[in-house]
This record gives sequence, C-alpha cells and structure tokens, in this order.
Amino acid sequence: QVQLVESGGVLVKPGESLRLSCAASGFNFGDFYMGWIRQAPGKGLEWISYMTVSGTSIYYADSVKGRFTISRDNGKNLLFLQMDSLTADDTAVYYCARDWRASGWFDSWGQGTLVTVSS
Amino acid sequence: EVVMMQSPATLSVSPGERATLFCRANESVSNSVSWYQQKPGQAPRLLMYGVYIRATGIPARFSGSGSGTEFSLTISSLQSEDAATYYCQQYKKWPPLTFGGGTKVEI
Repeated sequence: QVQLVESGGVLVKPGESLRLSCAASGFNFGDFYMGWIRQAPGKGLEWISYMTVSGTSIYYADSVKGRFTISRDNGKNLLFLQMDSLTADDTAVYYCARDWRASGWFDSWGQGTLVTVSS
Repeated sequence: EVVMMQSPATLSVSPGERATLFCRANESVSNSVSWYQQKPGQAPRLLMYGVYIRATGIPARFSGSGSGTEFSLTISSLQSEDAATYYCQQYKKWPPLTFGGGTKVEI
C-alpha cells in the first residue's frame, strides 16, 4: 500500500527557514518522480516543485524559485523541501505526491503538513 | 503559463442527479488533463488522467471528456460521498504544472 507521510510543518516567523520531509513506503521510491504541491488556507492547489529520480531534472514554480530546494534520499525513501526566506504567502498545507508515469500528474498524495508563517 | 479555468465555482445537485463540471485551458493541452477530488480536511485524490482514464478504484459513474482546451468531468448519478471540491490539472506544457481553481460540489 502506497503511503506518503509529510512532516516538519510548524509555525515560523517571516524570513526564517524550514525543511519538510516526506517519508515514502509501500513502493519502490527510487523508481518514481516526485513533487510538492501546496494549498493555502481556503484556496486551491498550487504546484511548487518536482524532481526526477536522480535529480537530473528539477523544476520550481516562480513563486518559490530561488528560495525553496527540493531533494531526495532514495536510499532512505525520503523527499525533502528546504524552504528559506519564508513569507506569509507561504502559509499553506504542503503535500508531497508521486508521479506514477513520469508525466506530471500525481496518483498518490500524502496527508499534508501545515506551514504557518507569522510574526 | 497554461491557465486552467473551472466552472462553475459551486454546483448544487440532488442525490441521483447528473453533475457536469467544466475546465477550460487558455491554450491547447491536447489530452493531458487530470482530475482530482478533495474532501474537506483530506488530501486530493486522483480521479482521472489522460482526460478520460479512471484511476484505480474510481467508480464508473465518473467520466471525463474533452480535448484541446475544453474538458469536462461528469458524475452520472451523484452520491452523498461525492460532495467535494474537484480540480483539473494540465501536464502538457510545463513547468509550471497548473491546476484550475476548483469546483465545489454540494449535495
């Protein structure tokens, strides 16, 4: 059974940094491309980052480019999102998700972790 | 950037009725559209990909159609458990991957 479990979401102040983790189980993590999608309170879904298995291709939304860094540890079945220079606009539930066919759509999602940026 | 626009924003339907949700792209995305269902407090769940291919475990009452810039998701006979917000997403021209703003289905 595919399972994705995000962690690391907390309350931080503007300008601070945070690293989110996503623990994968139930499938061969090293075979799948992965992404991060976020959802601000009461708002829709916003894709923010994506990476291939080996990291040869990494993509970011303009809203986070230069501030966020996606990475993964295939040996430990972990996906990460390093978030720097956080602002109130980054307040959201952050989901990690699996791209089943390396196509850009996501067949499995974690339950999400809430990041709140507030002074 | 491909912009995905969904309509209506909210749809109120009675149980057993048919519901059709619409999604329009500002440029052609061929058949590279997926649909997700999100219930309050839950993560999104994949419903459809490739416009009309149902994901594993999705009931046959869900169907997708369209191509190019116009797409739709139809729920043929609404059940109470179908109350949710539905999002379309394009994956033809990216980055960025883009989602529509969502349609909330009320039953």
